[in-house]
Amino acid sequence: GENVEQHPSTLSVQEGDSAVIKCTYSDSASNYFPWYKQELGKGPQLIIDIRSNVGEKKDQRIAVTLNKTAKHFSLHITETQPEDSAVYFCAARGAGLEYGNKLVFGAGTILRVKS
Amino acid sequence: NAGVTQTPKFRVLKTGQSMTLLCAQDMNHEYMYWYRQDPGMGLRLIHYSVGEGTTAKGEVPDGYNVSRLKKQNFLLGLESAAPSQTSVYFCASRGDRYEQYFGPGTRLTVT
Repeated sequence: GENVEQHPSTLSVQEGDSAVIKCTYSDSASNYFPWYKQELGKGPQLIIDIRSNVGEKKDQRIAVTLNKTAKHFSLHITETQPEDSAVYFCAARGAGLEYGNKLVFGAGTILRVKS
Repeated sequence: NAGVTQTPKFRVLKTGQSMTLLCAQDMNHEYMYWYRQDPGMGLRLIHYSVGEGTTAKGEVPDGYNVSRLKKQNFLLGLESAAPSQTSVYFCASRGDRYEQYFGPGTRLTVT
């Protein structure tokens, strides 16, 4: 089955700097890669996703890149702000029907933006 | 449009007690999921449903049961709670393009 590894586990940046979180996946047939932001005491919220037929996607200060050959994808946050501080999870969806097209999640990255 | 809601928000159980967690969604989604979240382990799938009247096991189903009698509701039951089931439980529903929407979670402590 799919396995997703996420790095780093914690990341501290100065306000205004960029933050990059990387994930690798094992199933070359995976075709959907979302990123979730989880604030303290809340449920994960989808912030951006990318599909296997696209190499990069941007939404304002957030971008995701996908390298299918190397089987890794990354989240890029530019001009970080204190409100970006949260836990970020990557996930991958396998192409098969196992577990209802389940998402496999990385272990999460705690991002701290210092002002 | 409330999205995905969960009740209760917090609960403390003693070992051996039972309880039911309720998840409701108003997006008319077919797929619904129950996850548990433990420190450093991300989200792990407990059970899921691909439509009204259907349920199936996920990665960590032992000690849990589920029911999907109505399309908008997905119930997670613990028949005999154990300390190992102390966790934060999240429900999610899935849209047409695979995106999952999560509820606010239920924090369960079993003593």
